[in-house]
Amino acid sequence: DGGITQSPKYLFRKEGQNVTLSCEQNLNHDAMYWYRQDPGQGLRLIYYSQIVNDFQKGDIAEGYSVSREKKESFPLTVTSAQKNPTAFYLCASTAQGGAKDEAFFGQGTRLTVV
Amino acid sequence: GQNIDQPTEMTATEGAIVQINCTYQTSGFNGLFWYQQHAGEAPTFLSYNVLDGLEEKGRFSSFLSRSKGYSYLLLKELQMKDSASYLCAVFSGGYNKLIFGAGTRLAVHP
Repeated sequence: DGGITQSPKYLFRKEGQNVTLSCEQNLNHDAMYWYRQDPGQGLRLIYYSQIVNDFQKGDIAEGYSVSREKKESFPLTVTSAQKNPTAFYLCASTAQGGAKDEAFFGQGTRLTVV
Repeated sequence: GQNIDQPTEMTATEGAIVQINCTYQTSGFNGLFWYQQHAGEAPTFLSYNVLDGLEEKGRFSSFLSRSKGYSYLLLKELQMKDSASYLCAVFSGGYNKLIFGAGTRLAVHP
């Protein structure tokens, strides 16, 4: 079955460490997105990518980095520069353009700084 | 700039009808989504509108007016399991940036 896989589901990080969250999709989607969600809040866009080897900053990109070397993969690195990284991180993908585009979401990674 | 506004919270009675509004201001418009999200889970797709008018899907309907920058999600025959957050999202700009509103928390009570 096609879908998006995020791993791990839960992640603990020590202050000052970088950590990478994985996002893989087998839907053949061109576009991929990373969002951050804090308790009781909506989804805020971190980075997004429409094609391989290209990505754009979202609204809260500071302290994060991404790469898009393969169509199916869009990993997110939370760097030590991100001062408040504890949050729920969601990855999504969509087909490029056209009607009835639906953003498919992974199950999320809950990151906690300890 | 870009902005998506939704009411923060709503309450309704089981079996009733509720309308959740969304207004948006974006640079370019390529479609509007509604998602349902239960606490601690990923959002699930409910509807997509790109043309003006009403889209109906079972107990859920979504309406769009592009000229007014306005959409609503209509939930009929409410059930307790409909208690969740409802997120409005818009594709905007040349890069198809997908941005979300803060969500509306709906509480359905007996």
